[in-house]
Amino acid sequence: ETGVTQSPTHLIKTRGQQVTLRCSSQSGHNTVSWYQQALGQGPQFIFQYYREEENGRGNFPPRFSGLQFPNYSSELNVNALELDDSALYLCASRMGGSRTGELFFGEGSRLTVL
Amino acid sequence: GQNIDQPTEMTATEGAIVQINCTYQTSGFNGLFWYQQHAGEAPTFLSYNVLDGLEEKGRFSSFLSRSKGYSYLLLKELQMKDSASYLCAVSGGYNKLIFGAGTRLAVHP
Repeated sequence: ETGVTQSPTHLIKTRGQQVTLRCSSQSGHNTVSWYQQALGQGPQFIFQYYREEENGRGNFPPRFSGLQFPNYSSELNVNALELDDSALYLCASRMGGSRTGELFFGEGSRLTVL
Repeated sequence: GQNIDQPTEMTATEGAIVQINCTYQTSGFNGLFWYQQHAGEAPTFLSYNVLDGLEEKGRFSSFLSRSKGYSYLLLKELQMKDSASYLCAVSGGYNKLIFGAGTRLAVHP
């Protein structure tokens, strides 16, 4: 148990729809990052939020957007879903100032786009 | 470009030792991490190396050579529960982790 919770755990959408995924970080962690993990691949960095501001972004188009709230929980929004967006979406938290890689991951939200 | 390479699959016998290699080429380097991921579960942190050399942590050890862009994870006294994917990741710039595709390890009796 990492203390990071994500919802929903599984969902199915159709191409063109929009999806919102949610994450509650571990208590005391003010930095949240999101990763996309396709089947058989390693996680790919989407973006990171620190104190409600985005402070790092990977190679993902603008239709991937996010928010962080004052309680440090976070949302990932994906618009205009494409088939290739089918993946496990992982949220990870850490305390700002701690080593970047020592992340605490949630169990993920598995998105299927039909 | 950014590239992290590790073998796709490995098999080993319970009680044995296995070494999983990782080579990397990244534009920034703030440390190398190893994560374990069981099927259908979240990755969990195993080890961190930022200086050259060996870091030992119980049955698991990790080695780093920055000049060679090379790391390995050594697992001793293998147990069936060690069957999992092992992810090599480099902490680059902009607060992000760059992951390899992972090595799927199968431990047999």
